[in-house]
Amino acid sequence: DTEVTQTPKHLVMGMTNKKSLKCEQHMGHRAMYWYKQKAKKPPELMFVYSYEKLSINESVPSRFSPECPNSSLLNLHLHALQPEDSALYLCASSQVTGGNTIYFGEGSWLTVV
Amino acid sequence: EDQVTQSPEALRLQEGESSSLNCSYTVSGLRGLFWYRQDPGKGPEFLFTLYSAGEEKEKERLKATLTKKESFLHITAPKPEDSATYLCAVQGGGATNKLIFGTGTLLAVQP
Repeated sequence: DTEVTQTPKHLVMGMTNKKSLKCEQHMGHRAMYWYKQKAKKPPELMFVYSYEKLSINESVPSRFSPECPNSSLLNLHLHALQPEDSALYLCASSQVTGGNTIYFGEGSWLTVV
Repeated sequence: EDQVTQSPEALRLQEGESSSLNCSYTVSGLRGLFWYRQDPGKGPEFLFTLYSAGEEKEKERLKATLTKKESFLHITAPKPEDSATYLCAVQGGGATNKLIFGTGTLLAVQP
């Protein structure tokens, strides 16, 4: 069963709010990812965790703070966001070894007002 | 620099009218080429992974093929429910599992 579960599905937050996006997978994958996708554009990589350690940060602003509490969970903490941060945020997971398929969740729609 | 180009950007077909989507790529040390389907407002759904030139994979009305420079997604006798954006992505050599995505092909199948 290839399933990555993301909550919430929709989130509206003000520019001064603090919120979190959550992601869970039970496929035994040890690599987890956050992607950002704007309308009519492909997903853009934000962060990669391998074995619960941050391995890639694609120069993402510090108002986005990732956390990997264990091998099944991935969080994205949001603080002081800007309206241009409104997008679909996608969590994904895979085996750590290169060449393995990366499976995506349904995404969390974020609107910053 | 690794790069993926998909064509056409948009494709409108009549139900039953077969066609192909193209994904051209340049990558150092291909470790995998991936096809995804994405419905509006949802995450990409995995379709196929191809690893080496000459490889082919099929699923229902879809067939993916791979050469050293490009991949094709053939759609045979499409139905309206095949309407979606089809994304191609490659993973190159290096220490990361980063996917390089194309901009996608928006497919509309009319009944």
